[in-house]
This record gives sequence, structure tokens and C-alpha cells, in this order.
Amino acid sequence: SQQGEEDPQALSIQEGENATMNCSYKTSINNLQWYRQNSGRGLVHLILIRSNEREKHSGRLRVTLDTSKKSSSLLITASRAADTASYFCATASAFNFGNEKLTFGTGTRLTIIP
Amino acid sequence: DVKVTQSSRYLVKRTGEKVFLECVQDMDHENMFWYRQDPGLGLRLIYFSYDVKMKEKGDIPEGYSVSREKKERFSLILESASTNQTSMYLCASSFLGQSSGANVLTFGAGSRLTVL
Repeated sequence: SQQGEEDPQALSIQEGENATMNCSYKTSINNLQWYRQNSGRGLVHLILIRSNEREKHSGRLRVTLDTSKKSSSLLITASRAADTASYFCATASAFNFGNEKLTFGTGTRLTIIP
Repeated sequence: DVKVTQSSRYLVKRTGEKVFLECVQDMDHENMFWYRQDPGLGLRLIYFSYDVKMKEKGDIPEGYSVSREKKERFSLILESASTNQTSMYLCASSFLGQSSGANVLTFGAGSRLTVL
């Protein structure tokens, strides 16, 4: 079953503006990750936030996590044309042998207009 | 540069054919995964493996099987391909306990399978 649901499904903004994407999930998690996918390619890991963290930064990326609401947001500041891609949240839950299972959402398609 | 390599970027097969999708990683990762990606449905986990000769069913294992005889190679098998298995297939690997202390995936470029 799908764990993460992203909102909005698609987002178009002008270059230089900030882009915000949201992710909601259903069950308890170890951590939540965001991945990026350029058209027709594999996914690339962007950032990870643990269940006991509330906010994380990496360059122009800012991720927040609210475990009480079971939701996360990804903010991309000062967007660039090269940020055009699909963005997926993935929730990590405990699995056998101390391992984790990642479940992905449906993604947000971000288009940056030059 | 670490890599996950999927043997075929594009495949066209006929209904009923047996299909092998191969994935090789050069990072000595214990964990390997197969996902399929469809528009509007995101990525769905088919099978995963946490060690050689081990396999675990994901969320949509029906119609698929896997093989992991060597640590670096994880194969997805469609025993009798059907048109509803037309999709993008993504392989990934990870090592739990890497610097982030969590299961962070490295993906291959994907294999787009069309079943006629």
C-alpha cells in the first residue's frame, strides 16, 4: 500500500521563486527521505530527516517533519531551471534483521519557468 | 563513482514471453530492490533482498520472481509477461548503516519494458 502522498501533483513557478511540496503518510516511520527524478531516469537521493528531527537543511533545500500530523514538506529556495524534475518522498519503516523498508509516494512534478 | 547498472534501457517483449531484467551494483551493498513506476501510482515495491539468496515480497509481487545468487546481482523475472506489466522498472541498492545511519537508496537508470 502507498505510504506517502505528495501534494500538489504538479507545480509550475517562475525561476527565482521558492517551491514547496508536501508529503503525508499513514504509519510510524524511522525517517523520511526526498528523492528527485529527472525525466525518464532513475531517482537521486536529496535529503533525509529522522523521526526525532523537526527541520533539516542542505544547500537550497529545507525539509520539515511533523510526526504528530504525519506530514513533511520540502522547500526549494531560489529555484533554477535545472530544478525541473519530479520529487518523491519516501518513508522508511523498520523491517526484519534491523533493516528498513522504503515506501515511495506518487511524486510532485515541478516545472521552473525561465 | 558508485553505480547501479541495469542491463537494458528499453525492451519490447510479447505476451507470454519470459523476461529477465538484470541489475548489478559495484558498491558491495547488502540490500537490493526492484520497483516499478507507473504514471499516477508512483514507485511500488515488487521484491527486495537483504542478502545473497534471500528475498522478500514487496507490495506487488504477483507475476514476478527474483534471483540473487551473487551479492552484486539482483534479477527480476517475469515468468509469462502480460500487457499490464508494461512499465518502467527501477533497481536500487543500499547499505544500512552508511554514514546517514539509514537505508538510503542508489538507483539505476531504469528499464522501460513494453509488452505487446
